[in-house]
Amino acid sequence: ETVLTQSPGTLSLSPGERATLSCRASQSVDSISFAWYQQKPGQAPRLLIYGASTRATGVPDRFSGSGSGTDFTLTISRLEPEDFAVYYCHQYAGSPLTFGGGTNVEIK
Amino acid sequence: QVQLQESGPGLVKPSETLSLSCSVSDDSISDYYWSWFRQPAGKGLEWIGRISGSGNINYNPSFKSRVDMSVDMSKNQVSLKLTSVTAADTAVYYCARRSTSGWFYDHWGQGTLVTVSS
Repeated sequence: ETVLTQSPGTLSLSPGERATLSCRASQSVDSISFAWYQQKPGQAPRLLIYGASTRATGVPDRFSGSGSGTDFTLTISRLEPEDFAVYYCHQYAGSPLTFGGGTNVEIK
Repeated sequence: QVQLQESGPGLVKPSETLSLSCSVSDDSISDYYWSWFRQPAGKGLEWIGRISGSGNINYNPSFKSRVDMSVDMSKNQVSLKLTSVTAADTAVYYCARRSTSGWFYDHWGQGTLVTVSS
């Protein structure tokens, strides 16, 4: 099983600031099998990025994904009020599918 | 845009079987893979397993001995059964549809809370 470790656990930032979220895998993950989700309280996860760097339909271009192998990054270039949420990294390269523990991006 | 809606008992007794259904708003069941995920309150996401419209199944080994998934095309539903539940199975359960672009999930239901308690 591929374990995903996200850091930091909480990121306290102000609107307009840049957010950098990290995810480290316990073994190498094919980039085409890596995704990021956003989740707000009481809502289902929303797909943001797949294939490590491809934005899902309707996702603003302030969200970008990068990385390969065991290290992946989600960057939000300028935080908007609606971006404060929990973000999960996810690998779907093999079974079982796994998720990171999440990074909570909160308003400073 | 397809809509997914989970339904089932919100309260299940310990040692009993949790049974949930996921109703799909269109006729796409046969064309896709469907997964169940769960999320305990305040915790992360966990994949339970997936099933294709043709019945191909892949379960998370963590659940393998307790889980059963099925599809009912006549009802446009995907079902989940989890046996011998304990308090640790208390969670919000989500169904989701696999994307056409890869083995990730881009359509999710709103989730349903299942509490295991006597």
